[in-house]
Amino acid sequence: RKEVEQDPGPFNVPEGATVAFNCTYSNSASQSFFWYRQDCRKEPKLLMSVYSSGNEDGRFTAQLNRASQYISLLIRDSKLSDSATYLCVVLDLMDSSYKLIFGSGTRLLVRP
Amino acid sequence: EPEVTQTPSHQVTQMGQEVILRCVPISNHLYFYWYRQILGQKVEFLVSFYNNEISEKSEIFDDQFSVERPDGSNFTLKIRSTKLEDSAMYFCASLGADLGYGYTFGSGTRLTVV
Repeated sequence: RKEVEQDPGPFNVPEGATVAFNCTYSNSASQSFFWYRQDCRKEPKLLMSVYSSGNEDGRFTAQLNRASQYISLLIRDSKLSDSATYLCVVLDLMDSSYKLIFGSGTRLLVRP
Repeated sequence: EPEVTQTPSHQVTQMGQEVILRCVPISNHLYFYWYRQILGQKVEFLVSFYNNEISEKSEIFDDQFSVERPDGSNFTLKIRSTKLEDSAMYFCASLGADLGYGYTFGSGTRLTVV
């Protein structure tokens, strides 16, 4: 079973649409959770951390369900500039070493 | 905003040659990492470094790979004898004491082995 699993997409949506990405993770002891954004041939950039209480940053809302080991990202009012790959990422602690585990990413294409 | 700096941005090397990829992590960060991403594939963990030693390494990080933090600021990844399949983007990352902020990644070095 993959450690962090995402729907690869691509999601092709019109500008202004609302789109939701989902992710599941296998390690119930994972410490922290994040959504990263990666543009083509660029480094991953932190979009937002994800908390159990749910958190919002402008048009982006992230949710964590620890019981189901499920993470979500909702993007409202999509912009052309939102086109990118969205990476679901968990931080694991193993043998006193922290390590980010990446999902394969979900590709989003926002069309005019 | 503090940055992780990587050099060079692109390196082309012949198979069998040694390469050194360089990184300057954020100065007050404690944990340092190398990840790689083969074109079209996911980001893969290579190695983590804490307290001046390797804390974990993946199966990819075999005897051909080594890391050093020679002077307390630079963090280097050396590949002793490159293979064609080592062609990838190599990202350096650092993590501070506040885990909730996640890693900060450098902009990467594109390694092309010919």
